[in-house]
Amino acid sequence: EVQLVESGGGLVQPGRSLKLSCVASGFTFSNYGMNWIRQAPGKGLEWVAYISSGSSYIYYAETVKGRFTISRDNAKNTLYLQMTSLRSEDTALYYCARHSSGDWFAYWGQGTLVTVSS
Amino acid sequence: DIQMTQSPASLSASLGETVTIECRASEDIYSNLAWYQQKPGNSPQLLIYDANSLADGVPSRFSGSGSGTQYSLKINSLQSEDVASYFCQQYNNYWTFGGGTKLELK
Repeated sequence: EVQLVESGGGLVQPGRSLKLSCVASGFTFSNYGMNWIRQAPGKGLEWVAYISSGSSYIYYAETVKGRFTISRDNAKNTLYLQMTSLRSEDTALYYCARHSSGDWFAYWGQGTLVTVSS
Repeated sequence: DIQMTQSPASLSASLGETVTIECRASEDIYSNLAWYQQKPGNSPQLLIYDANSLADGVPSRFSGSGSGTQYSLKINSLQSEDVASYFCQQYNNYWTFGGGTKLELK
C-alpha cells in the first residue's frame, strides 16, 4: 500500500525558515516524480513544487520561487521542502503527492500544517 | 500560466439527482485534466484522469468528459457519501487547480 507521511509543520514567525519532510513507503520511491501541494485554510489547492525521480528536473510555482527548495533522498525514501523567508500567505496544509503513470496526482499524504504568524 | 475556472463554486442537490460540475481552461489542455474529490478533514482523492478515465476504485456513477478548453464532471444518482468538494486540475503545462465546487445535500 502506498503511504506518504508528512511532518515538520508548525508555528513559525514571518521571515523564518522551516523544513518539511515526507516519508514514502509501499512503492519504489526512486522511480517516481514527487510534488508538494498546499491548501490554505478553507481555500483551494495550489501546486508548489515538483522534483523528478532522479532530481534532474525541478520546478516551482512563481509564488514560492527563490524562497522554497524541493529535494529528495532516494536512499531514505524521503522528500523535503525547505521553506525560507516565510510569509503569512504561506500558511497552509502542505501535502506531498506522487504521480502515477501520468502527470496527475495519484497518491496524497495526510498533510502537515504550517502556520506563519507573529 | 494556464488558468482553470470551475463552476459553480457551490451546489446543493438531492439524493438520486444528477449533478454536473464544469471546468474551463484558459487555453487548450488536450484532455490533460484530472478531477479530485476532497471530503471534510481528508486529503484529495483522484476520481478521473485524462479527462474521462475513471481511477481505480471510483464508483461508475462518476464520469468525466470534454476536450480543448471545456470539461465536465458528472455524478449520476447522487449518494450521501458524495458530499464533498471537487477540484479540477490541468497537467498539460505544469499543474493548476480550479477553485473548487462544494457539493451539499438539499
